[in-house]
Amino acid sequence: GESVGLHLPTLSVQEGDNSIINCAYSNSASDYFIWYKQESGKGPQFIIDIRSNMDKRQGQRVTVLLNKTVKHLSLQIAATQPGDSAVYFCAETLGGATNKLIFGTGTLLAVQP
Amino acid sequence: DGGITQSPKYLFRKEGQNVTLSCEQNLNHDAMYWYRQDPGQGLRLIYYSQIVNDFQKGDIAEGYSVSREKKESFPLTVTSAQKNPTAFYLCASSGWTGVLTGELFFGEGSRLTVL
Repeated sequence: GESVGLHLPTLSVQEGDNSIINCAYSNSASDYFIWYKQESGKGPQFIIDIRSNMDKRQGQRVTVLLNKTVKHLSLQIAATQPGDSAVYFCAETLGGATNKLIFGTGTLLAVQP
Repeated sequence: DGGITQSPKYLFRKEGQNVTLSCEQNLNHDAMYWYRQDPGQGLRLIYYSQIVNDFQKGDIAEGYSVSREKKESFPLTVTSAQKNPTAFYLCASSGWTGVLTGELFFGEGSRLTVL
């Protein structure tokens, strides 16, 4: 929603630069992770996912890295564009249970023209 | 186009009133969910339904009720028993029950404000 971005950590980048958004997940047993993008006033949209048997997965202009040792997930966005401005949050779950998704609080990405 | 439609987008309620938020999907998905989103917090699951005529409580079900009489529809009622109902409510659906496809489809949300 419109006020979701309040109280969130903010990453400010210049248009064209690469962005790295980080997420610390809570359950060392989680085996499936998802990144969502939420634009102001809209519902979240799926960006990319990764399973625990992988360290890296690439999509179109996005890459997700998983470090299970320190329970850390990152989303890299290449050549950031103004349309990438949004709140990004990660989610984790165990065993593929959609009803057991645990969502992070999110990071606000602000792209400066 | 296929998707999830939530209504109303904005809703104001007086204390002591029940309100119902609508969620309709034409994706032919079996599973539907209601989440609550508060500033600075992750999404929290209120209720979910994996099949018609069946639903389960999520992490914060108190003060809420749902029904699933049709596959396409999963309305959420915020009752007067919900102590802090002002929030952004998100409905979602997924194509498999209990098996993650990697994608929850979300609606645009409904913002409820209690006056």
